[in-house]
Amino acid sequence: GDSVTQTEGPVTLSEGTSLTVNCSYETKQYPTLFWYVQYPGEGPQLLFKVPKANEKGSNRGFEATYNKEATSFHLQKASVQESDSAVYYCALGPWGSALGRLHFGAGTQLIVIP
Amino acid sequence: EAAVTQSPRNKVTVTGGNVTLSCRQTNSHNYMYWYRQDTGHGLRLIHYSYGAGNLQIGDVPDGYKATRTTQEDFFLLLELASPSQTSLYFCASSDGGDTQYFGPGTRLLVL
Repeated sequence: GDSVTQTEGPVTLSEGTSLTVNCSYETKQYPTLFWYVQYPGEGPQLLFKVPKANEKGSNRGFEATYNKEATSFHLQKASVQESDSAVYYCALGPWGSALGRLHFGAGTQLIVIP
Repeated sequence: EAAVTQSPRNKVTVTGGNVTLSCRQTNSHNYMYWYRQDTGHGLRLIHYSYGAGNLQIGDVPDGYKATRTTQEDFFLLLELASPSQTSLYFCASSDGGDTQYFGPGTRLLVL
């Protein structure tokens, strides 16, 4: 079935260091790929999405490339800030009869130390 | 931007108790969703709906009922609550495209 696997957290980094959160997926479809971010005490919110293979999405200094061959969508940021501390979710969907549904990974908590 | 509200924000009940979680969205979205969030599992879909009177089963539906009374309102019902249903519950809405807008969550504790 369809699934998403991402870096297990928590990931603890010092301010100014680089971030990579790995995301791998399995599907027989051609989904849109997403990164959502959840700040403490809030619901998840869209960080960015990429609907097409081999394209890159970005927002707030974060970026990820839709790699269809490797079935990956790794999240990267060159220099993290304390305000980036949050939980990050990789997701895929929707398609066909499952229109409207998204499949989420387990989430990766990022802790940035000032 | 989509506005999704949930009530109550916190709820404590006892095993066997009856609980209703409420969700309202005010952006005329067709799709609404109920998720539970647990450490190590992320967001898991319980039920969803694509319009008033419609209900679709998600991935973890056991022990939960849901009802969509209007386009705006989606309710999650736990008729015999169990400690395993202690969780953080999120409601979300979308227009059937791909971006889902989440509410602030309801924290439920079943003693």
